[in-house]
Amino acid sequence: GNSVTQMEGPVTLSEEAFLTINCTYTATGYPSLFWYVQYPGEGLQLLLKATKADDKGSNKGFEATYRKETTSFHLEKGSVQVSDSAVYFCALLNAGNNRKLIWGLGTSLAVNP
Amino acid sequence: GAGVSQSPSNKVTEKGKDVELRCDPISGHTALYWYRQSLGQGLEFLIYFQGNSAPDKSGLPSDRFSAERTGGSVSTLTIQRTQQEDSAVYLCASSFGDRDYNQPQHFGDGTRLSIL
Repeated sequence: GNSVTQMEGPVTLSEEAFLTINCTYTATGYPSLFWYVQYPGEGLQLLLKATKADDKGSNKGFEATYRKETTSFHLEKGSVQVSDSAVYFCALLNAGNNRKLIWGLGTSLAVNP
Repeated sequence: GAGVSQSPSNKVTEKGKDVELRCDPISGHTALYWYRQSLGQGLEFLIYFQGNSAPDKSGLPSDRFSAERTGGSVSTLTIQRTQQEDSAVYLCASSFGDRDYNQPQHFGDGTRLSIL
């Protein structure tokens, strides 16, 4: 079946450090891939997405490239800020009839000034 | 606002009681989803509604859980005879559904359910 595996947290970085949060997936067919973010006390928000191989999603300085050969969708940011502290979720969209999102367990990021 | 609205935001109840959680999706969104977010468990799919089609209930954990969507808009998730393991944040999401299956799902802030 479809599944998403993302690196365990928590991840703690200093401001302006480089961020990578790994995400790999198992899926049949050609899923779409998403990163969602949950800031403290807020709901889940879509951060970026990619719908086909080699697509790069980007938003707020974050990027992720859909790599079909390695079944990966790693999240990166060149210089993190304190305001990036949140929980990040990698998700896969099931192309079956119900379009349900398959989720990773989430990675907590804390950025210190 | 224009986002997905869920109520109540917090619910504390005694074991054995029934609870109803409400979701008001974004206007025009035909697809509606319920997920459960348990501590350390990640998000778990519960049920999916698409237009007037029969809902996909494959994620409901037991027959104590049910959901309905009236008039293709507002949805209620009902948990009967609550148990402590039902404690979680219940999230509702909506999207344009079949119009473009890559359309992202937009989430409400969730209902935090605590069973004493």
